[in-house]
Amino acid sequence: GAVVSQHPSWVICKSGTSVKIECRSLDFQATTMFWYRQFPKQSLMLMATSNEGSKATYEQGVEKDKFLINHASLTLSTLTVTSAHPEDSSFYICSAPRTSGNNEQFFGPGTRLTVL
Amino acid sequence: GQQVMQIPQYQHVQEGEDFTTYCNSSTTLSNIQWYKQRPGGHPVFLIQLVKSGEVKKQKRLTFQFGEAKKNSSLHITATQTTDVGTYFCAGRRHGGATNKLIFGTGTLLAVQP
Repeated sequence: GAVVSQHPSWVICKSGTSVKIECRSLDFQATTMFWYRQFPKQSLMLMATSNEGSKATYEQGVEKDKFLINHASLTLSTLTVTSAHPEDSSFYICSAPRTSGNNEQFFGPGTRLTVL
Repeated sequence: GQQVMQIPQYQHVQEGEDFTTYCNSSTTLSNIQWYKQRPGGHPVFLIQLVKSGEVKKQKRLTFQFGEAKKNSSLHITATQTTDVGTYFCAGRRHGGATNKLIFGTGTLLAVQP
């Protein structure tokens, strides 16, 4: 099946620093990718839709200037958490949908961010 | 906004018992998908239902989409320890953006051997 990778798998950073998370579709092209945030024992909350070659679409309540998304190619989307604070600590997961078949979404393994 | 709720939040069963999780949306869905997330892992696609009243089976798992396309259920017969994890439904709002999924609140299943 399709594979989506994320890097890094985990990161610990100091408050005020910026962290970049990469999401790659390894064997298919993805014009659209999705970024989710998941707090412990909670559901996945959609943060934004990453669109190749155009601006990302953010969900209500998600600050676009804090969570910068760049979808520079058909296989790569990046999420940058700028000036991270402890409340940004979470599990960030990207997904890329297959446009054929079931339209299932393939999820990356996730990135666990801890902000000290 | 659109909300997708699941009940129960948590269920603990003995191995061999059946399990059901229910998914309810505040709005009509164009389709619904089910995902399983193992502890520490990421969601993995199980199935998609599209038609009103549709029922699909995968071995011990039975998935159903409601007639009004606002609810769905997942039933596991004779649970096994490998069934442990959180089960999420995820729906696309009827008339909404293609591929944009709203996830349910999830049901955590614990299976005692």
